[in-house]
Amino acid sequence: DQQVKQNSPSLSVQEGRISILNCDYTNSMFDYFLWYKKYPAEGPTFLISISSIKDKNEDGRFTVFLNKSAKHLSLHIVPSQPGDSAVYFCAASAANTGNQFYFGTGTSLTVIP
Amino acid sequence: GAGVSQSPSNKVTEKGKDVELRCDPISGHTALYWYRQSLGQGLEFLIYFQGNSAPDKSGLPSDRFSAERTGGSVSTLTIQRTQQEDSAVYLCASSLGGTNPDTQYFGPGTRLTVL
Repeated sequence: DQQVKQNSPSLSVQEGRISILNCDYTNSMFDYFLWYKKYPAEGPTFLISISSIKDKNEDGRFTVFLNKSAKHLSLHIVPSQPGDSAVYFCAASAANTGNQFYFGTGTSLTVIP
Repeated sequence: GAGVSQSPSNKVTEKGKDVELRCDPISGHTALYWYRQSLGQGLEFLIYFQGNSAPDKSGLPSDRFSAERTGGSVSTLTIQRTQQEDSAVYLCASSLGGTNPDTQYFGPGTRLTVL
């Protein structure tokens, strides 16, 4: 049972444009969400997070939006750069599940120079 | 500072053999996680250690899989009688633990290939 879903396995964007990566979840108890970036042959690296008390968190070129009523979050990268090309995973956790995190299947982003 | 390290980076083994994968977490992190990523799949939770508490083994796919964490630091994931479907990248992560929210930091992974 996939509690966190990333329905787009891949995305291609022109350099300088906005990249929007989407993530949906089913468990309404999730209260903390994260995005990780993964390059080939490396482990995922933490990118940005958001708590359910917020609907937006921004860090430089990266902004995460949370829509709790729709159980949807998205990661915006603007402007996109070729170095952003990687697989992006969203993850979610709930206070009542301890620190168990549920990951999506990832979206492979390619930024075309 | 040093991040999470894993060894070996690659392991090729024959079906039926046992393998051990090692994880060294970030110093001071009390929580340690094992995940695996099969080809084309997301990260699958395997097991979670938090301090001296009993580990959460709910993600282990079969009794051929086990993990230990000695001295609250280094962890070893053991797969007995490996099968071809065990082929995957095994990822270890650590976090400060005991906080909410918490953030996990991943190692580079061990790519396991079972022939």
